[in-house]
Amino acid sequence: AQKVTQAQTEISVVEKEDVTLDCVYETRDTTYYLFWYKQPPSGELVFLIRRNSFDEQNEISGRYSWNFQKSTSSFNFTITASQVVDSAVYFCALSEAATDSWGKLQFGAGTQVVVTP
Amino acid sequence: DTEVTQTPKHLVMGMTNKKSLKCEQHMGHRAMYWYKQKAKKPPELMFVYSYEKLSINESVPSRFSPECPNSSLLNLHLHALQPEDSALYLCASSRSTQGIWTEAFFGQGTRLTVV
Repeated sequence: AQKVTQAQTEISVVEKEDVTLDCVYETRDTTYYLFWYKQPPSGELVFLIRRNSFDEQNEISGRYSWNFQKSTSSFNFTITASQVVDSAVYFCALSEAATDSWGKLQFGAGTQVVVTP
Repeated sequence: DTEVTQTPKHLVMGMTNKKSLKCEQHMGHRAMYWYKQKAKKPPELMFVYSYEKLSINESVPSRFSPECPNSSLLNLHLHALQPEDSALYLCASSRSTQGIWTEAFFGQGTRLTVV
């Protein structure tokens, strides 16, 4: 069963618009970790953020912000005032604390963000 | 320094060839990973090494053979591959496979084409 769902396949925006990427996850563990990665056309996955299940504080880093809501099992990501350099595929991922899940990073399908000038 | 270096960046090989992909990190991480990524798909976990020991093999065909010679190096030996094995192969490392240390840092990948 898919544990991380990114329902948006592609989002196209014009530069300076805000864009929000949705991520819904499913787990039975009470302790787990959520991540966002960016994959530009060059191929490397760039780590953006980790959020622990016991820390529901939202976070802002420059133009990026994240909204973690355990009640809806969501970990959404917003890019404010988008720029062309934000064009990439963005992956949400889940890591569970259970012993048989150690080392397993489960990715969503990814959302392609296209920012045009 | 959060760098994972993979070589080569591109590789074309025939179905009868033997080749190796290499990955190196100097962050002191004790967990290293191989992922396979097909076009327009998320990365799929292949192998996990924890403290230089293979801890996860996600039912990968034996034509892929991982090796972890030391805590900084990870290899993926390839033999008798099929065209459907063409993909981006990503190496990653993290401090550990456990708990809060699971954030993984990825290399740029090797784009493999099997002809």
